[in-house]
Amino acid sequence: AQKVTQAQTEISVVEKEDVTLDCVYETRDTTYYLFWYKQPPSGELVFLIRRNSFDEQNEISGRYSWNFQKSTSSFNFTITASQVVDSAVYFCALSGDSGYALNFGKGTSLLVTP
Amino acid sequence: DGGITQSPKYLFRKEGQNVTLSCEQNLNHDAMYWYRQDPGQGLRLIYYSQIVNDFQKGDIAEGYSVSREKKESFPLTVTSAQKNPTAFYLCASSIARGVSYEQYFGPGTRLTVT
Repeated sequence: AQKVTQAQTEISVVEKEDVTLDCVYETRDTTYYLFWYKQPPSGELVFLIRRNSFDEQNEISGRYSWNFQKSTSSFNFTITASQVVDSAVYFCALSGDSGYALNFGKGTSLLVTP
Repeated sequence: DGGITQSPKYLFRKEGQNVTLSCEQNLNHDAMYWYRQDPGQGLRLIYYSQIVNDFQKGDIAEGYSVSREKKESFPLTVTSAQKNPTAFYLCASSIARGVSYEQYFGPGTRLTVT
């Protein structure tokens, strides 16, 4: 079975603070894929990143960075110098050869205040 | 503009009525998906379709039905057999079958049944 755990239900930070959203996953698949999505108040999920299980290289995209560690089964997401527009619910998701679609965590609601 | 459209954004129905949610994509994607989102929860898969005229049940298919007669369209019918139909419904698509591809989401339909 596949499972994604996002232990942080809600996080509140002040603008310009750095914030890390945690994601821990469980899978028995050798090949699997991890994703992060952003859901702003409008409701539509926005794709942020995909990482496959063979690529542990960290990635940076502007103020966003992702840290993938197979040893701890984690795929954490850091926003540097947060902005009010970053306020949203962020979902981590997992897919693998034993499944057919995405398995989502319950999401972390991030509130960035001015 | 390429994308996924869902209509309507808000839908209200009386208990006991069937209702059909629309999902159309012009991304030329083969695979399409329906998810349900409840407050404070992640997304749960209802149905998915990898090719035209073929679809499979997801984790919570009871009380729902779908069709895939055209590549662009994947309507979801919420039947009166669905015990708790009030939820936010999200349609998604991916370029091809297979778990490695990211899914792109529509804006969602918020269904309220009273």
